[in-house]
Amino acid sequence: DAGVIQSPRHEVTEMGQEVTLRCKPISGHDYLFWYRQTMMRGLELLIYFNNNVPIDDSGMPEDRFSAKMPNASFSTLKIQPSEPRDSAVYFCASRTSGTYNEQFFGPGTRLTVL
Amino acid sequence: QKEVEQDPGPLSVPEGAIVSLNCTYSNSAFQYFMWYRQYSRKGPELLMYTYSSGNKEDGRFTAQVDKSSKYISLFIRDSQPSDSATYLCAMRREGSQGNLIFGKGTKLSVKP
Repeated sequence: DAGVIQSPRHEVTEMGQEVTLRCKPISGHDYLFWYRQTMMRGLELLIYFNNNVPIDDSGMPEDRFSAKMPNASFSTLKIQPSEPRDSAVYFCASRTSGTYNEQFFGPGTRLTVL
Repeated sequence: QKEVEQDPGPLSVPEGAIVSLNCTYSNSAFQYFMWYRQYSRKGPELLMYTYSSGNKEDGRFTAQVDKSSKYISLFIRDSQPSDSATYLCAMRREGSQGNLIFGKGTKLSVKP
């Protein structure tokens, strides 16, 4: 299995531009998570889906952030408009149902907003 | 007070040393405790998983949970340069399928 796939791996954009991050979870996993990691705040959960349905988006910082999961094999995280404080590493993770099942993380997208 | 506190380090030890990494937490509802390892420019990967209190051993790694003190530890015996990474503790409540709360991570460097 290829693991969780994220694209792009690096993104540099200018303030005000729209940014779209993409994730392909591991096949058969029915939970998908989006995290943001910064030095100041560490790893924070933004939103998670179960069977393509958003369950908890309380971690989404503001309306500029939106996430979708149109099918079981694809999710996007969009920032519009982007701001320099959005610069971070964004991780996608997936897991199967069940109490002990671990989350598998993707390699992350390093976003820099100038 | 943050729900999970973890000393960010950095921590530098010689090869072969015993390493102790720790986290404290404030939410007594946490029941599942995890340690993730994150190499530079990579995503976190699960290292150890413990339910409720007690110890768990896996090779050179031992995880301990003391719920009465709200304190968890990860011990690494005979540390190796390949153990150099950032170690993040994580925890969640019973019945919470999604919401893992992470510590900020401790950066460990094992010198040959």
